[in-house]
Amino acid sequence: TQLLEQSPQFLSIQEGENLTVYCNSSSVFSSLQWYRQEPGEGPVLLVTVVTGGEVKKLKRLTFQFGDARKDSSLHITAAQPGDTGLYLCAGARPGAQKLVFGQGTRLTINP
Amino acid sequence: KAGVTQTPRYLIKTRGQQVTLSCSPISGHRSVSWYQQTPGQGLQFLFEYFSETQRNKGNFPGRFSGRQFSNSRSEMNVSTLELGDSALYLCASSLVAGGNTGELFFGEGSRLTVL
Repeated sequence: TQLLEQSPQFLSIQEGENLTVYCNSSSVFSSLQWYRQEPGEGPVLLVTVVTGGEVKKLKRLTFQFGDARKDSSLHITAAQPGDTGLYLCAGARPGAQKLVFGQGTRLTINP
Repeated sequence: KAGVTQTPRYLIKTRGQQVTLSCSPISGHRSVSWYQQTPGQGLQFLFEYFSETQRNKGNFPGRFSGRQFSNSRSEMNVSTLELGDSALYLCASSLVAGGNTGELFFGEGSRLTVL
């Protein structure tokens, strides 16, 4: 059982569409991070959210941390082929000394 | 500044052999973490080293080991390789130990195939 469950696991949509990816848990996290991994590369940090209810925007990407700090979402507006990749959420539990990762959402944006 | 460097990028081994992977963190980063990435399990934490000391260890058998040198470079070793060890092994460096809220900087990984 994954501590962080991401959904959907796979998503393929057309360029210009909007999408939302979810990262859910029954546990509380001190912070959640979102990474994007492209083929042949390691994950790259997109954002860190630390406050319940926090919303952060990165161009067309909007990240939200749930009020109870148990879940997070990533919304992409007007998706572009360059958004294609594996999106990973990672969380730090209170007092823990390591990040735990979700299994990822593999996103494909078709031109 | 130079990113995280992992060598080798690709390698093929046979069952029963052993392998050593190397990771050079970003200059000034003293924390190095290792992860195993497979399609079925995602990223699984192996261990973290900080200032030459193992701080945390994941749920992997003793065949998986690592160490960190005084220059913060790290190596991981897998002995008696099994088919299921085929994976992308990622190294990540961080300024802070434990990676609690600190950013992890990943290398490109070492892709191990066990035949």
